[in-house]
Amino acid sequence: DVKVTQSSRYLVKRTGEKVFLECVQDMDHENMFWYRQDPGLGLRLIYFSYDVKMKEKGDIPEGYSVSREKKERFSLILESASTNQTSMYLCASSLRPGEQNTEAFFGQGTRLTVV
Amino acid sequence: EDQVTQSPEALRLQEGESSSLNCSYTVSGLRGLFWYRQDPGKGPEFLFTLYSAGEEKEKERLKATLTKKESFLHITAPKPEDSATYLCAVQADTGGFKTIFGAGTRLFVKA
Repeated sequence: DVKVTQSSRYLVKRTGEKVFLECVQDMDHENMFWYRQDPGLGLRLIYFSYDVKMKEKGDIPEGYSVSREKKERFSLILESASTNQTSMYLCASSLRPGEQNTEAFFGQGTRLTVV
Repeated sequence: EDQVTQSPEALRLQEGESSSLNCSYTVSGLRGLFWYRQDPGKGPEFLFTLYSAGEEKEKERLKATLTKKESFLHITAPKPEDSATYLCAVQADTGGFKTIFGAGTRLFVKA
Protein backbone atom coordinates (compact mmCIF):
# COMPACT_ATOMS: atom_id res chain seq x y z
CA ASP A 1 0.00 0.00 0.00
CA VAL A 2 1.05 3.55 -0.72
CA LYS A 3 2.02 5.37 2.40
CA VAL A 4 2.25 9.12 2.75
CA THR A 5 3.47 10.22 6.15
CA GLN A 6 3.30 13.72 7.56
CA SER A 7 5.66 14.54 10.38
CA SER A 8 3.08 15.90 12.82
CA ARG A 9 -0.64 15.44 13.46
CA TYR A 10 -1.00 18.59 15.53
CA LEU A 11 1.16 21.72 15.77
CA VAL A 12 0.76 24.95 17.71
CA LYS A 13 3.03 27.80 16.68
CA ARG A 14 3.32 31.48 17.51
CA THR A 15 2.77 34.32 15.06
CA GLY A 16 5.97 35.14 13.22
CA GLU A 17 7.60 31.74 13.71
CA LYS A 18 9.08 29.84 10.77
CA VAL A 19 7.23 26.54 10.45
CA PHE A 20 8.30 23.39 8.64
CA LEU A 21 5.83 20.68 7.64
CA GLU A 22 7.43 17.50 6.37
CA CYS A 23 5.99 14.82 4.13
CA VAL A 24 7.46 11.50 3.00
CA GLN A 25 6.03 8.99 0.50
CA ASP A 26 7.25 5.46 -0.09
CA MET A 27 5.89 4.63 -3.56
CA ASP A 28 8.41 6.38 -5.78
CA HIS A 29 5.75 8.83 -7.02
CA GLU A 30 6.90 11.69 -9.22
CA ASN A 31 4.24 14.18 -8.13
CA MET A 32 3.80 15.60 -4.67
CA PHE A 33 1.33 18.21 -3.47
CA TRP A 34 0.53 20.41 -0.50
CA TYR A 35 -3.08 21.42 0.12
CA ARG A 36 -4.82 23.26 2.88
CA GLN A 37 -8.37 22.42 3.84
CA ASP A 38 -10.74 24.87 5.50
CA PRO A 39 -14.46 24.44 6.29
CA GLY A 40 -16.62 25.46 3.35
CA LEU A 41 -13.62 26.03 1.06
CA GLY A 42 -12.58 22.47 0.29
CA LEU A 43 -9.04 21.55 -0.62
CA ARG A 44 -6.94 24.36 -2.07
CA LEU A 45 -3.61 23.68 -3.71
CA ILE A 46 -0.65 25.57 -2.26
CA TYR A 47 2.29 24.13 -4.21
CA PHE A 48 3.12 21.01 -6.15
CA SER A 49 6.25 19.36 -7.44
CA TYR A 50 6.60 17.03 -10.41
CA ASP A 51 10.25 16.19 -9.92
CA VAL A 52 13.16 16.65 -7.56
CA LYS A 53 14.06 20.33 -7.18
CA MET A 54 11.05 21.32 -9.31
CA LYS A 55 8.11 23.23 -7.93
CA GLU A 56 5.04 24.99 -9.23
CA LYS A 57 2.73 27.44 -7.51
CA GLY A 58 -0.79 26.33 -6.87
CA ASP A 59 -3.80 28.52 -6.22
CA ILE A 60 -2.75 30.03 -2.88
CA PRO A 61 1.08 30.13 -2.63
CA GLU A 62 1.38 33.44 -0.81
CA GLY A 63 3.13 33.11 2.54
CA TYR A 64 4.43 29.61 1.75
CA SER A 65 7.45 28.04 0.13
CA VAL A 66 8.43 24.43 -0.56
CA SER A 67 11.49 22.27 -0.90
CA ARG A 68 12.00 18.97 -2.67
CA GLU A 69 15.60 17.81 -2.38
CA LYS A 70 14.79 14.10 -2.61
CA LYS A 71 12.08 12.34 -4.59
CA GLU A 72 10.36 10.92 -1.53
CA ARG A 73 10.29 14.09 0.57
CA PHE A 74 8.36 17.33 0.09
CA SER A 75 8.49 20.07 2.69
CA LEU A 76 6.15 23.02 3.18
CA ILE A 77 7.56 26.11 4.83
CA LEU A 78 5.63 28.94 6.40
CA GLU A 79 8.17 31.75 6.36
CA SER A 80 6.44 33.81 9.06
CA ALA A 81 3.34 32.14 10.45
CA SER A 82 0.19 34.19 10.72
CA THR A 83 -3.15 33.41 12.34
CA ASN A 84 -4.85 33.15 8.93
CA GLN A 85 -2.63 30.15 8.22
CA THR A 86 -4.38 28.15 10.92
CA SER A 87 -5.72 25.20 8.97
CA MET A 88 -5.52 21.50 8.16
CA TYR A 89 -2.57 20.83 5.85
CA LEU A 90 -2.61 17.78 3.63
CA CYS A 91 0.25 16.30 1.67
CA ALA A 92 -0.39 13.99 -1.28
CA SER A 93 1.54 12.09 -3.93
CA SER A 94 0.66 10.57 -7.30
CA LEU A 95 2.11 9.09 -10.44
CA ARG A 96 2.85 11.39 -13.35
CA PRO A 97 -0.16 12.27 -15.57
CA GLY A 98 -0.12 10.32 -18.80
CA GLU A 99 -0.02 7.11 -16.87
CA GLN A 100 -3.03 5.22 -15.58
CA ASN A 101 -3.82 5.36 -11.90
CA THR A 102 -2.98 9.00 -11.32
CA GLU A 103 -5.13 9.29 -8.22
CA ALA A 104 -3.59 11.09 -5.28
CA PHE A 105 -2.72 9.37 -2.01
CA PHE A 106 -2.96 11.58 1.04
CA GLY A 107 -1.23 11.76 4.36
CA GLN A 108 -3.14 11.90 7.61
CA GLY A 109 -3.00 15.69 7.75
CA THR A 110 -1.40 18.23 10.07
CA ARG A 111 -3.71 20.44 12.08
CA LEU A 112 -1.76 23.69 12.49
CA THR A 113 -2.86 26.36 14.92
CA VAL A 114 -1.09 29.73 14.89
CA VAL A 115 -1.61 31.78 18.04
CA GLU B 1 -12.45 28.00 -15.92
CA ASP B 2 -12.28 24.42 -14.61
CA GLN B 3 -14.76 23.90 -11.82
CA VAL B 4 -16.22 21.14 -9.64
CA THR B 5 -19.52 21.53 -7.75
CA GLN B 6 -20.87 18.93 -5.36
CA SER B 7 -24.42 18.64 -4.07
CA PRO B 8 -25.95 18.45 -1.62
CA GLU B 9 -23.58 19.99 0.94
CA ALA B 10 -24.93 17.61 3.57
CA LEU B 11 -27.16 14.56 3.43
CA ARG B 12 -28.82 12.78 6.31
CA LEU B 13 -30.05 9.23 5.72
CA GLN B 14 -31.55 6.48 7.77
CA GLU B 15 -29.71 3.18 7.72
CA GLY B 16 -30.82 1.30 4.62
CA GLU B 17 -32.11 4.42 2.82
CA SER B 18 -30.36 4.51 -0.58
CA SER B 19 -29.45 7.82 -2.19
CA SER B 20 -27.02 9.55 -4.57
CA LEU B 21 -24.43 12.30 -4.33
CA ASN B 22 -23.83 14.56 -7.32
CA CYS B 23 -20.63 16.01 -8.75
CA SER B 24 -20.98 18.46 -11.64
CA TYR B 25 -17.86 19.53 -13.46
CA THR B 26 -16.67 21.80 -16.22
CA VAL B 27 -13.24 21.08 -17.59
CA SER B 28 -11.60 21.66 -20.94
CA GLY B 29 -10.82 17.99 -21.37
CA LEU B 30 -11.26 15.29 -18.76
CA ARG B 31 -8.31 13.07 -17.94
CA GLY B 32 -9.97 11.51 -14.92
CA LEU B 33 -12.61 12.02 -12.24
CA PHE B 34 -11.86 10.82 -8.73
CA TRP B 35 -13.99 10.05 -5.68
CA TYR B 36 -12.51 10.13 -2.18
CA ARG B 37 -13.87 9.44 1.28
CA GLN B 38 -12.68 11.59 4.19
CA ASP B 39 -13.29 10.79 7.85
CA PRO B 40 -13.11 13.62 10.42
CA GLY B 41 -9.56 14.65 11.23
CA LYS B 42 -8.03 12.39 8.58
CA GLY B 43 -6.75 12.69 5.04
CA PRO B 44 -8.93 11.72 2.06
CA GLU B 45 -8.92 8.07 1.08
CA PHE B 46 -9.14 7.14 -2.59
CA LEU B 47 -12.27 5.28 -3.74
CA PHE B 48 -12.62 5.36 -7.55
CA THR B 49 -11.28 6.77 -10.77
CA LEU B 50 -13.53 7.19 -13.81
CA TYR B 51 -12.03 8.05 -17.17
CA SER B 52 -14.83 8.24 -19.74
CA ALA B 53 -18.58 8.83 -20.01
CA GLY B 54 -20.58 5.68 -19.42
CA GLU B 55 -18.00 4.15 -17.11
CA GLU B 56 -19.15 2.69 -13.78
CA LYS B 57 -17.23 1.33 -10.80
CA GLU B 58 -18.44 -0.41 -7.66
CA LYS B 59 -17.09 -1.10 -4.22
CA GLU B 60 -19.28 -2.65 -1.56
CA ARG B 61 -22.32 -0.34 -1.16
CA LEU B 62 -20.86 2.39 -3.39
CA LYS B 63 -21.25 2.77 -7.14
CA ALA B 64 -19.80 5.65 -9.14
CA THR B 65 -21.04 6.64 -12.59
CA LEU B 66 -19.87 9.24 -15.09
CA THR B 67 -21.48 11.32 -17.84
CA LYS B 68 -19.95 14.14 -19.87
CA LYS B 69 -21.03 16.74 -17.33
CA GLU B 70 -21.45 14.99 -13.99
CA SER B 71 -20.75 12.01 -11.82
CA PHE B 72 -22.94 10.31 -9.26
CA LEU B 73 -21.94 8.35 -6.22
CA HIS B 74 -24.81 5.98 -5.45
CA ILE B 75 -24.99 4.56 -1.95
CA THR B 76 -27.13 1.45 -1.60
CA ALA B 77 -28.53 0.49 1.81
CA PRO B 78 -26.02 2.65 3.71
CA LYS B 79 -24.78 1.80 7.17
CA PRO B 80 -23.66 4.20 9.94
CA GLU B 81 -20.03 3.44 9.11
CA ASP B 82 -20.57 5.02 5.69
CA SER B 83 -20.87 8.39 7.43
CA ALA B 84 -18.07 10.59 6.10
CA THR B 85 -17.38 13.45 3.72
CA TYR B 86 -17.22 12.38 0.09
CA LEU B 87 -15.00 14.43 -2.20
CA CYS B 88 -15.06 14.58 -5.97
CA ALA B 89 -12.08 15.81 -7.99
CA VAL B 90 -11.22 16.20 -11.68
CA GLN B 91 -7.97 16.23 -13.55
CA ALA B 92 -7.84 17.95 -16.92
CA ASP B 93 -5.87 16.69 -19.90
CA THR B 94 -4.42 20.10 -20.69
CA GLY B 95 -0.92 18.89 -19.88
CA GLY B 96 -0.83 20.25 -16.36
CA PHE B 97 -0.66 18.39 -13.10
CA LYS B 98 -3.42 20.01 -11.14
CA THR B 99 -6.42 18.26 -9.66
CA ILE B 100 -9.46 20.36 -8.79
CA PHE B 101 -11.52 19.32 -5.79
CA GLY B 102 -15.14 19.97 -4.97
CA ALA B 103 -16.12 21.14 -1.48
CA GLY B 104 -17.54 17.73 -0.61
CA THR B 105 -20.80 16.22 0.61
CA ARG B 106 -21.07 15.39 4.28
CA LEU B 107 -23.04 12.17 4.68
CA PHE B 108 -24.66 11.21 7.97
CA VAL B 109 -26.24 7.76 8.27
CA LYS B 110 -28.34 7.17 11.36
CA ALA B 111 -28.94 3.69 12.77
